[in-house]
Amino acid sequence: EVQLVESGGGLVQPGASLKLSCVASGFTFSDYWMSWVRQTPGKTMEWIGDIKYDGSYTNYAPSLKNRFTISRDNAKSTLYLQMSNVRSEDTATYYCTRGPTGSWGYWGQGVMVTVSS
Amino acid sequence: ETTVTQSPASLSMAVGEKVSISCKTSTDIDDDMNWYQQKSGEAPKLLISEGNTLRPGVPSRFSSSGYGTDFVFTINNVLLGDEGIYYCQQSDNVPYTFGAGTKLELK
Repeated sequence: EVQLVESGGGLVQPGASLKLSCVASGFTFSDYWMSWVRQTPGKTMEWIGDIKYDGSYTNYAPSLKNRFTISRDNAKSTLYLQMSNVRSEDTATYYCTRGPTGSWGYWGQGVMVTVSS
Repeated sequence: ETTVTQSPASLSMAVGEKVSISCKTSTDIDDDMNWYQQKSGEAPKLLISEGNTLRPGVPSRFSSSGYGTDFVFTINNVLLGDEGIYYCQQSDNVPYTFGAGTKLELK
């Protein structure tokens, strides 16, 4: 059974950094592109970016590419999202997803990030 | 960037009725449209993937059509358990983009 389990969320102050993790199981992690998607409290969905199965290539939403970095450790079957200089508009539930690319049949349970002073 | 315009924003239907949701894209995306259902407190679930392909285990009451820039998602004989928010999302080009969602309420 495919499982994606996110962690690392919580309350963070504006301007701070935060790193989210997603541990995958039930499939060969190194065979798949992986993505991060977020959902705001108002239920707006936004794709953040994705990373190639070997970690050699990433894509990002243009509005986030200067502050967010996606990486992976295939030996640990873990996906990461490094968030820097966070803003109030980054408050959202963050989901780890598995493709095929762009069409996500598997989602984690989500992790909440609240940016507030 | 491809903009996805989804309508309506909300629907209130009776059990057994037919639901139709429209998504229009600002660029031609062939048939690279996906449809998700999100129930309260849960992660989105992929119902229909590119090429209007029903995902395994999804009831045939759910269907979609469309190619290019105009797409329609349909639920025939809607049930109480179908309440939730429905999203369309294009996977033709990055950045992948979503519609704003349609909240489906059952009377």
